[in-house]
Amino acid sequence: DTGVSQNPRHKITKRGQNVTFRCDPISEHNRLYWYRQTLGQGPEFLTYFQNEAQLEKSRLLSDRFSAERPKGSFSTLEIQRTEQGDSAMYLCASSPTGSTEAFFGQGTRLTVV
Amino acid sequence: LAKTTQPISMDSYEGQEVNITCSHNNIATNDYITWYQQFPSQGPRFIIQGYKTKVTNEVASLFIPADRKSSTLSLPRVSLSDTAVYYCLVVAFVGSQGNLIFGKGTKLSVKP
Repeated sequence: DTGVSQNPRHKITKRGQNVTFRCDPISEHNRLYWYRQTLGQGPEFLTYFQNEAQLEKSRLLSDRFSAERPKGSFSTLEIQRTEQGDSAMYLCASSPTGSTEAFFGQGTRLTVV
Repeated sequence: LAKTTQPISMDSYEGQEVNITCSHNNIATNDYITWYQQFPSQGPRFIIQGYKTKVTNEVASLFIPADRKSSTLSLPRVSLSDTAVYYCLVVAFVGSQGNLIFGKGTKLSVKP
């Protein structure tokens, strides 16, 4: 197992387009998190899953954002009608249930032009 | 969720011991204290976790007083490669609940 994998690593899109990111967690990790990070800020929580169940979603997250983890393994994060303010690094992390040790991927850097 | 407060930045020199203190006045009984490290253009990396007293691993030590309203991450003999942002988190894991909420962290700059 090579850790948490995120694809793509970089994405440039035009404003108004939809984008989808993928995260493959460490095998058998029940918990999966999505974060957004901008320069100089800490990772901002977006949502997290326990297996296939989405347990919490940030109130800061607009309806344009949706995340899925259909089989409790990989997850996708979709942003509809992207805006320039969506430009950020999107990080995925996974952990076993009951552990505070989360393993992060390298992130997907989104640039909306 | 307990809110944490830590210094925005700290400077140090190679070989010194660095102590970063985090305040979490509203910590609950089921909360654990966890620290992460983040280098530029990388995701955060777990450093250490504790509940009370002292925890030590190969990377750092974590000191937690009896009232648990604060904690101190201690990095012995830092090197240039320890330059990073350090985050203090208070995390509750009860059953399937729990989340990892990051603040702004402490930017540590180690100088030669």
